[in-house]
Amino acid sequence: TQLLEQSPQFLSIQEGENLTVYCNSSSVFSSLQWYRQEPGEGPVLLVTVVTGGEVKKLKRLTFQFGDARKDSSLHITAAQPGDTGLYLCPSTDSWGKLQFGAGTQVVVTP
Amino acid sequence: EAQVTQNPRYLITVTGKKLTVTCSQNMNHEYMSWYRQDPGLGLRQIYYSMNVEVTDKGDVPEGYKVSRKEKRNFPLILESPSPNQTSLYFCASSFSNFGELFFGEGSRLTVL
Repeated sequence: TQLLEQSPQFLSIQEGENLTVYCNSSSVFSSLQWYRQEPGEGPVLLVTVVTGGEVKKLKRLTFQFGDARKDSSLHITAAQPGDTGLYLCPSTDSWGKLQFGAGTQVVVTP
Repeated sequence: EAQVTQNPRYLITVTGKKLTVTCSQNMNHEYMSWYRQDPGLGLRQIYYSMNVEVTDKGDVPEGYKVSRKEKRNFPLILESPSPNQTSLYFCASSFSNFGELFFGEGSRLTVL
């Protein structure tokens, strides 16, 4: 069973500050997705990373996939209240089973 | 519009009264799955289906049943609901278990 850990569990920052959240696994990800869930809604895909060492940028969000494909980070520059949400990085196995974990709750206050 | 539709969105019921939460997707996705979300526990997978007539248990299948008779529908059945099944439920679909998951709007269930 792949063990998934996201950190920190909770992060509260002021608008304009930077933040980084982490996703670590006990085994290799075949590919890694980051989702954001806003209050009262289902999660929405932000990005998929596939190659070890890959870096993807989505406006103020920078996603990095570890060289060994066992960890990833999400960095947000100049956070805005719209970045508030639960950030999730699920793991999936070849048979279709998904594990989401508890995620990182980010709160950005004006 | 591509979407995953769940019904009902909100339901209050009593212990032991069978209920079904429907899930339908219009994207011709092969993979569908159900999750429950509880405070501090994140999303936990209940059941998933890789294709029609193929279903498998996720991490928390006890007390739930599913069926996948058609590609577009994946209902979640609670034969005898109990208070510990009070939760927020999400259905999701994807082209495959490694693809982008599209989630429904959620169904908030309260069992008294």
